[in-house]
Amino acid sequence: GAVVSQHPSWVICKSGTSVKIECRSLDFQATTMFWYRQFPKQSLMLMATSNEGSKATYEQGVEKDKFLINHASLTLSTLTVTSAHPEDSSFYICSARSLAYRGETQYFGPGTRLLVL
Amino acid sequence: AQRVTQPEKLLSVFKGAPVELKCNYSYSGSPELFWYVQYSRQRLQLLLRHISRESIKGFTADLNKGETSFHLKKPFAQEEDSAMYYCALSRLSSNTGKLIFGQGTTLQVKP
Repeated sequence: GAVVSQHPSWVICKSGTSVKIECRSLDFQATTMFWYRQFPKQSLMLMATSNEGSKATYEQGVEKDKFLINHASLTLSTLTVTSAHPEDSSFYICSARSLAYRGETQYFGPGTRLLVL
Repeated sequence: AQRVTQPEKLLSVFKGAPVELKCNYSYSGSPELFWYVQYSRQRLQLLLRHISRESIKGFTADLNKGETSFHLKKPFAQEEDSAMYYCALSRLSSNTGKLIFGQGTTLQVKP
């Protein structure tokens, strides 16, 4: 149980286009999902907290107009990188918070690798 | 501000040797500490949490509030333990569930 999927697993796009990444909790409901960014050989940097039915909370320094987050249901959150540029190239990881499995914990998706040309 | 520090980027040991992955944190309140592991080409997964006081895959970690540390230990390393290990902190008093990660330590267990 407690599986989180991400789609797509990798994407290549041209500079200036927008890219949408989906994060789904497959077998549990997640009122809260988190979006992280990971640069090569570096740690996970929390970008935003996504709550179902409300606006996302962004971490300091993260542009909310650049990284649009929508949490439309208890099992789906999307991250849209708008007008992507090469510096947005990174590994984006989502996690879903579950209160039902072994106490509160976060379950992570496999990540989406974005390359902006 | 909350911070998690893992001083070693790489820890290389031989199979059967003891392992200690260091983690120090700074937080004025009551923290909840975790260790996450990421095996090659796999997603991040929870290894253990201090509240559970469990031993998972032979690993243990004790929260030392005096030294603000949560070091991960295993008496005899196995080759399959080779992976990236992240220490993370969450605020017990907060309902957000936000995790703050350390920089990560790559454990390399040589045969």
